[in-house]
Formats: sequence, structure tokens, C-alpha cells
Amino acid sequence: GQQVMQIPQYQHVQEGEDFTTYCNSSTTLSNIQWYKQRPGGHPVFLIQLVKSGEVKKQKRLTFQFGEAKKNSSLHITATQTTDVGTYFCAGNSGGYQKVTFGIGTKLQVIP
Amino acid sequence: GAVVSQHPSWVICKSGTSVKIECRSLDFQATTMFWYRQFPKQSLMLMATSNEGSKATYEQGVEKDKFLINHASLTLSTLTVTSAHPEDSSFYICSARDDRGQGWYTEAFFGQGTRLTVV
Repeated sequence: GQQVMQIPQYQHVQEGEDFTTYCNSSTTLSNIQWYKQRPGGHPVFLIQLVKSGEVKKQKRLTFQFGEAKKNSSLHITATQTTDVGTYFCAGNSGGYQKVTFGIGTKLQVIP
Repeated sequence: GAVVSQHPSWVICKSGTSVKIECRSLDFQATTMFWYRQFPKQSLMLMATSNEGSKATYEQGVEKDKFLINHASLTLSTLTVTSAHPEDSSFYICSARDDRGQGWYTEAFFGQGTRLTVV
């Protein structure tokens, strides 16, 4: 079945440093979604990427979808304490309603 | 954005009893809803796909007789943990997609989650 791997599992950064999490799928994806889950909260949708090589930005967050549509990354520039949480990628292989979540990257920002 | 309401947010029950968790889409219709389980510091594991008017589709390893799913309307799905045991203690989260969206290209909206503790 489809597997989605995500690294790193944990990342501690000093406030102001950059952060990147990577997602890799065992199969070609039709789309990939990114979610953020704050401690004690539920996942909240951030963005969806559909096109090969697509790059989208949301303020300090940059999302990329690989040319082969098998990998993706989320990059945060100049992290802030409000960025703390776990970031999940979720891939979909098309033809199916369900998505497969990566294990998540827990980001800790040290003030 | 769209809202998915999940109830209760937390529940403590005795071993051997059953617990029902509700998932409602408040401002959209959802033919399909999803139930996840999340262990501490781990990812969301899909348990089953709930389909309105038909049987749920369970993921491998998930006992359908233990985790009963009912999707009685386009806005409500329920998950009943039957004869709960301490190992069933976990965080259960539902999600739903708006039927007006483009199928699997549509974002999923998550409920707040239910923290189940079986003692």
C-alpha cells in the first residue's frame, strides 16, 4: 500500500532560524496536503499542492511539490514561537478518497 | 472555513462498556467521513472510511465489530467503541470533506478529537 515517509520526526530550532520538513511517498501522488497540529489540538489544513513542481507560499511558509510528484517539502523562514506544533503531510494517490499521513515533524522553537 | 464538530471532546469509561463518539459537519454535507486514531506523539492512523447510507470501509487490522461506524445522514457519522478496554485508550479524530468539492482534491476538515480513557 501507499506509504508516506516524513523526516525529521523532531526539530528544535532557535527562534529566527529556518526549518524544513520533508515528505516522500512510495507512489506517485495526485496531490499532497499539509496540516499543522498544535499541542492538544486537531490537525488544521494549511495547503494543497496538485501540480508537478508546484511551489506555493504563505507568508513565511513555502511549500514545494516535486517534479515526480512523489516528494514534498515545507520550509519556514525565520521561525517564531507561534510556529510550534506538529506538521503533517498527507498524500493522495488519486481514485481514492482517503489520504495517507506522514508521521509528522514536531517543531519546537526556542525563544 | 468549514466546521466539523466532534463530541465528546473527552470521555472516561469503565472497561467493558461502550462509548459513542459523534462527528458532525456543521455547514456542509459530507457523504464520506474518516475516522482516525492517534497515539501519543504519533501520526494519524486511518481506521475506517465512513460512507453515508452504506457500510464503512475498514483499514487492515481494525476490528469492525469492535469499532462500529454508522453514517446515518449526510452530516453525521458515529463511532462506537464496543466493550472498551484500556488498550483502546487513545485520541480519536474524525474528518470530512465537503461534497461540493472535487473529490480527493478537496481538503479535509477535522473535528476537535475525542480523548478516550478506559479505566
